[in-house]
Amino acid sequence: GENVEQHPSTLSVQEGDSAVIKCTYSDSASNYFPWYKQELGKRPQLIIDIRSNVGEKKDQRIAVTLNKTAKHFSLHITETQPEDSAVYFCAANTGGFKTIFGAGTRLFVKA
Amino acid sequence: GAGVSQTPSNKVTEKGKYVELRCDPISGHTALYWYRQSLGQGPEFLIYFQGTGAADDSGLPNDRFFAVRPEGSVSTLKIQRTERGDSAVYLCASSLTGAEEQYFGPGTRLTVT
Repeated sequence: GENVEQHPSTLSVQEGDSAVIKCTYSDSASNYFPWYKQELGKRPQLIIDIRSNVGEKKDQRIAVTLNKTAKHFSLHITETQPEDSAVYFCAANTGGFKTIFGAGTRLFVKA
Repeated sequence: GAGVSQTPSNKVTEKGKYVELRCDPISGHTALYWYRQSLGQGPEFLIYFQGTGAADDSGLPNDRFFAVRPEGSVSTLKIQRTERGDSAVYLCASSLTGAEEQYFGPGTRLTVT
């Protein structure tokens, strides 16, 4: 079955710096890759997503890149702010719509 | 409009008891997911409904877990003979058709003593 690996598990950056989180997936049938942000005690919320027919997508300070050949995708956050501090999850959705999440990256943005 | 809601928000039960967790998805969403999230982990897929049918139940850990969605809207996750290892936050999510953004509910925190 599908397996999603996410790195790093913890990331600490200075305010204004960039943060990069990387994920790999195993099922080549996966075609939808969302990223969710979860603040402490809250529900996960989608921040950006990408489909397999696109290599890159950007939304203001957030961008996602996808390499289908290598089966990996990455989240890039530029000009980080303290309110970006949270846990970020990548996920892979197969053609059957089963969604597998990574273990998460805890991002700390130091003011 | 109203988002995904889940009841109860917290449930404490004794080992061996039966529990039911309820999910009300966003109106009109045909796809509904159940996940289990343990502390410090990502949501673990349990089951996915498309309409009334369970399209994929491969994530249910064993036959003590069962879920239904009889009218294609509200879903109930049922756990028999609860064990301490079942303690976690159970999240429900819905999406319009299944191939796009999932909207999560606030979760039910289940504690088995």
